[in-house]
Amino acid sequence: NAGVTQTPKFQVLKTGQSMTLQCAQDMNHEYMSWYRQDPGMGLRLIHYSVGAGITDQGEVPNGYNVSRSTTEDFPLRLLSAAPSQTSVYFCASSLDRGLYEQYFGPGTRLTVT
Amino acid sequence: GQQVMQIPQYQHVQEGEDFTTYCNSSTTLSNIQWYKQRPGGHPVFLIQLVKSGEVKKQKRLTFQFGEAKKNSSLHITATQTTDVGTYFCAGPGGGNKLTFGTGTQLKVEL
Repeated sequence: NAGVTQTPKFQVLKTGQSMTLQCAQDMNHEYMSWYRQDPGMGLRLIHYSVGAGITDQGEVPNGYNVSRSTTEDFPLRLLSAAPSQTSVYFCASSLDRGLYEQYFGPGTRLTVT
Repeated sequence: GQQVMQIPQYQHVQEGEDFTTYCNSSTTLSNIQWYKQRPGGHPVFLIQLVKSGEVKKQKRLTFQFGEAKKNSSLHITATQTTDVGTYFCAGPGGGNKLTFGTGTQLKVEL
């Protein structure tokens, strides 16, 4: 099993550009989530999904969209990148939200200039 | 909404010294999880505590869940350079969310 995979590993965007961060898992997990990590801020939840076709907002959803058409994939879209979105983005999956361990992907380091 | 705070934010220790990080939630938690993130890496699950007053050990690591299920601690005995990283606690928030603490960054010096 590959676990949770994320692409790309690094990305540089210019302000106003859009892009999609990819996340996939092969563990048949229902719960998937996106976090951003900034120095001193810990991990902040952006969006999450409890199953295919169901998504909901986390703590910091503004500027991001998600969809969950399959159990395996949970892409994160940046609509119009801003320097404030410079961060490390982690995708995670779990059997259940808070009852089971979260498996994290390797992360995407995004810089917006 | 739920807040999960950790102290200290940073800790520098000499190798062989003990280390403790504390996690405090604004609400009662049904369970609490601990993760470790090595520099440049991703968070990796360490353990989950469920019962009030629960204590679990993993080699030199001791995890405790408070009696009121609103706080938790991680204690490392005789730190080693391999313990370097950031330690996070996490607990179920409102709805289907998992809320992570702010993390404690541990540096171990020889």
